[in-house]
Amino acid sequence: AAGVIQSPRHLIKEKRETATLKCYPIPRHDTVYWYQQGPGQDPQFLISFYEKMQSDKGSIPDRFSAQQFSDYHSELNMSSLELGDSALYFCASSSRILGDEQYFGPGTRLTVT
Amino acid sequence: AQSVTQLDSHVSVSEGTPVLLRCNYSSSYSPSLFWYVQHPNKGLQLLLKYTSAATLVKGINGFEAEFKKSETSFHLTKPSAHMSDAAEYFCVVSDPPGSYIPTFGRGTSLIVHP
Repeated sequence: AAGVIQSPRHLIKEKRETATLKCYPIPRHDTVYWYQQGPGQDPQFLISFYEKMQSDKGSIPDRFSAQQFSDYHSELNMSSLELGDSALYFCASSSRILGDEQYFGPGTRLTVT
Repeated sequence: AQSVTQLDSHVSVSEGTPVLLRCNYSSSYSPSLFWYVQHPNKGLQLLLKYTSAATLVKGINGFEAEFKKSETSFHLTKPSAHMSDAAEYFCVVSDPPGSYIPTFGRGTSLIVHP
């Protein structure tokens, strides 16, 4: 079965640079979520999209933005990167019709130096 | 409002012995409850979910969980631990229609000794 795809899997950036993370949800899933997970932490919800519209907003910094495109893939844009942005970034998708369990991608490990 | 409390940050068991990971929740509606497992540097994998059908839910890899409304608990159990079960486990609640955003517990690290 198709799973959530994230790219890149690893990314190294310097402070003040920008980064773009991509997420391809499971086909026919209508909701995409972005999470940030620091070392030894539980995933922190950043933002979600339902049917390509922003649905909920969590602890997403103003330096970050996200969008979902017509093909349902989503991108998380991160600007003015800080050392503290180093983390695992997960994308998850779900279907409100089929059940609200989320299926997670493998994550993108972002390292800011 | 919804919340999740995982009562143990670490649980240590010997291989072949039972596993119990505890989770208590609060919610305003009829919650959906989930357990996810995360191996080091990996994504989160759904173990099982409760969505108001049977109160005893069977998941993958021999895990199961029992929903007890009177105790607001959703503890995860396995009769016999395997070395490959060593991982981080997250209890998660979502509470539609109040919120589609899941709330994660802080996680329980399961350590399995040979």
